[in-house]
Amino acid sequence: KNEVEQSPQNLTAQEGEFITINCSYSVGISALHWLQQHPGGGIVSLFMLSSGKKKHGRLIATINIQEKHSSLHITASHPRDSAVYICAVDGNTDKLIFGTGTRLQVFP
Amino acid sequence: GAGVSQTPSNKVTEKGKYVELRCDPISGHTALYWYRQSLGQGPEFLIYFQGTGAADDSGLPNDRFFAVRPEGSVSTLKIQRTERGDSAVYLCASSLTGQGISPLHFGNGTRLTVT
Repeated sequence: KNEVEQSPQNLTAQEGEFITINCSYSVGISALHWLQQHPGGGIVSLFMLSSGKKKHGRLIATINIQEKHSSLHITASHPRDSAVYICAVDGNTDKLIFGTGTRLQVFP
Repeated sequence: GAGVSQTPSNKVTEKGKYVELRCDPISGHTALYWYRQSLGQGPEFLIYFQGTGAADDSGLPNDRFFAVRPEGSVSTLKIQRTERGDSAVYLCASSLTGQGISPLHFGNGTRLTVT
């Protein structure tokens, strides 16, 4: 079993829909990262969080340390949000453990 | 530059050859990381530098892989006697201190293809 599990693996949505991507992990962590990767492109860090909730524009990330679970929400989704969203945890070892990613496609 | 720069962006080499992949981190970032990402997979850790020293090289798959960061800025990942299984995107990232404290900044990666 992977230490970081994401769901769903693939997600399609219509423009404007509210989107949720989930991440569960099995190790103790000091921080959790949400990353965005466009096809053929590099990885962009969206959030780094260790508790509570963070918001940036239409993106919201939450984490529940007790349940070892985090969610990434996208409000009013847009085709430019289409990308792979990756959850990664810092298990106090300075080497991130990555999930396999959620491939999101938003259609106009 | 403003971000993490990796060169080359693409590298095609023959099996058995030696390759070097370069990473220019953001100026002032002490922490530098190399990851490898195979198709359809999440990135896998290779090595982490804090300054000039390799703080953790436990992710290097075997002794054909080696990385240096002699002056605490630019890093080079070196692969000897390349094999087809080494084909992947090699990602470099840097952070101001360490990733549990400061955010990571990724380069666009080097796509290595071994034929």
